[in-house]
Amino acid sequence: DGGITQSPKYLFRKEGQNVTLSCEQNLNHDAMYWYRQDPGQGLRLIYYSQIVNDFQKGDIAEGYSVSREKKESFPLTVTSAQKNPTAFYLCASRMLGGFYGYTFGSGTRLTVV
Amino acid sequence: DQQVKQNSPSLSVQEGRISILNCDYTNSMFDYFLWYKKYPAEGPTFLISISSIKDKNEDGRFTVFLNKSAKHLSLHIVPSQPGDSAVYFCAASGRGSEKLVFGKGTKLTVNP
Repeated sequence: DGGITQSPKYLFRKEGQNVTLSCEQNLNHDAMYWYRQDPGQGLRLIYYSQIVNDFQKGDIAEGYSVSREKKESFPLTVTSAQKNPTAFYLCASRMLGGFYGYTFGSGTRLTVV
Repeated sequence: DQQVKQNSPSLSVQEGRISILNCDYTNSMFDYFLWYKKYPAEGPTFLISISSIKDKNEDGRFTVFLNKSAKHLSLHIVPSQPGDSAVYFCAASGRGSEKLVFGKGTKLTVNP
């Protein structure tokens, strides 16, 4: 079955530590996205990538970093510079061109302890 | 500056009745609109979409209406079922942009 997989489902991090969230897709989608969801805030775009080895900042990129070394993978690192990292993180992918929506992963809940 | 607005954070309806979720947008470059449904601790799932060349799209119990002059779209669910209880996000995309812009969501509760 084609899909997009995020791991882990739940993640705990101590303050001051970096942590990397995994996102893998086997849909052959060109573009991949990272969103953050906070209560009452909807979905806010962190980073996105339309092609391997290239990515762009979204609306709230500060304190985050990404890489796109393979078409299938788009990991997100939450660095210690991110002031409020506790949130639900969603990865998505889509085909480029035309009218295509996103396919979302099931999310990772990050909690800073 | 919120380009996609869902002004009702929550909506409660009785089972069997119609649910109407509303969405307004400000960017006239948007030409493709989508609705996503999200359960707690899960990723959103695509529900229905509409392009700006249409004013209505129907899929089973779900119908989306687009009023371009008012920059307004709405999602109608008829009849509503308890399993429809979720958060619904409106999203929009414009020409030349590969990003979707999301509203803040409306939490729908369908009471048995």
